[in-house]
Amino acid sequence: DAGITQSPRHKVTETGTPVTLRCHQTENHRYMYWYRQDPGHGLRLIHYSYGVKDTDKGEVSDGYSVSRSKTEDFLLTLESATSSQTSVYFCAISDSETQYFGPGTRLLVL
Amino acid sequence: AQSVTQLDSQVPVFEEAPVELRCNYSSSVSVYLFWYVQYPNQGLQLLLKYLSGSTLVESINGFEAEFNKSQTSFHLRKPSVHISDTAEYFCAVKYSGGYNKLIFGAGTRLAVHP
Repeated sequence: DAGITQSPRHKVTETGTPVTLRCHQTENHRYMYWYRQDPGHGLRLIHYSYGVKDTDKGEVSDGYSVSRSKTEDFLLTLESATSSQTSVYFCAISDSETQYFGPGTRLLVL
Repeated sequence: AQSVTQLDSQVPVFEEAPVELRCNYSSSVSVYLFWYVQYPNQGLQLLLKYLSGSTLVESINGFEAEFNKSQTSFHLRKPSVHISDTAEYFCAVKYSGGYNKLIFGAGTRLAVHP
């Protein structure tokens, strides 16, 4: 399995609070991605990174920001969490062809 | 807009029966195609992929998929399923272009019954 960890694995928070999710890789892959998974929607791309400090928006980026200060870490921040951001969040990394996924973070916004 | 359609949201099947999970994508331009599997409460695992070459690709656990360019399809098949194949299966497409971004289908839940 690709060396990808996500933290925390579970989180409950309240509406309006900031939340940061962390993705850490040991593979030294250039590309990293954040997705959210919701029933009936599959996985939707939130943000992605193509290098240190190089990031861009995906299809569902509103309300989210990211940062990548080191190759191995990609942070996803919900700046003011809303109930619509209750979801399972997956990080992925990629070599030249294939994406590999982390174990996911289950986030509940009350 | 580029899209991926998985035609069945749920597929119930009896153990040892054959199964086909259907996937169509929207464009016939150069693509890479993937099937991922997700077991309950886990992340996605790569099942198989088509990058180039033979249009029939196989996984180590008996699944196969065939790239059909004219029909823009990449259906997943297994001749005899096991209880342990119960999972959600996602088809994904990488179109030519930068950053290795994938577009996912909505998923098909395969339920294998004894």
